[in-house]
Amino acid sequence: AQKVTQAQTEISVVEKEDVTLDCVYETRDTTYYLFWYKQPPSGELVFLIRRNSFDEQNEISGRYSWNFQKSTSSFNFTITASQVVDSAVYFCALSEVLRGYNQGGKLIFGQGTELSVKP
Amino acid sequence: DSGVTQTPKHLITATGQRVTLRCSPRSGDLSVYWYQQSLDQGLQFLIQYYNGEERAKGNILERFSAQQFPDLHSELNLSSLELGDSALYFCASSVVVEAFFGQGTRLTVV
Repeated sequence: AQKVTQAQTEISVVEKEDVTLDCVYETRDTTYYLFWYKQPPSGELVFLIRRNSFDEQNEISGRYSWNFQKSTSSFNFTITASQVVDSAVYFCALSEVLRGYNQGGKLIFGQGTELSVKP
Repeated sequence: DSGVTQTPKHLITATGQRVTLRCSPRSGDLSVYWYQQSLDQGLQFLIQYYNGEERAKGNILERFSAQQFPDLHSELNLSSLELGDSALYFCASSVVVEAFFGQGTRLTVV
């Protein structure tokens, strides 16, 4: 069965600190996708990144970076020099690859990590 | 703005009633997904449609049903509502892999 675990329920940091959100996943599939979504206080879910299981290259986008390690089944998310606007709940998610359709399937979400960045 | 539109944004209704949530996917997206977010269950997949056909089903209650119309918009019907159905219901759409979410419909059953 597929499962995503975000062990950190809440994290509180002071502005400009770096923070890493942990994500560990379980799947028997050899091909899958991993995602991070952000849910700000306004409630919408904002797509941040998608990673294919065959691509372990780390990615950096501005202050955001993602570390994918297949050996430890982890897909961690780091925010460098955090800002108050980063305060949100962050979800890690896993999806299967729908064979024959070249598509992702349903998303299995972790329980989310609530990040609070204080000024 | 994700391009996915959900209406209404808020809905308050009584137990036993029936409601319909509507979703317009991003232009060109053939897949529509419905998710439920509640405090105790987190984000749970309900159902997926692809170009009008049901593609996958999650832990969707029998009191709930959905469909995708020829113009690709989708509706989620919730009937015989119970207090425990109060939640944030999200619609998402995708063309290939990345799913983009609407702002959600917050349903409150009183």
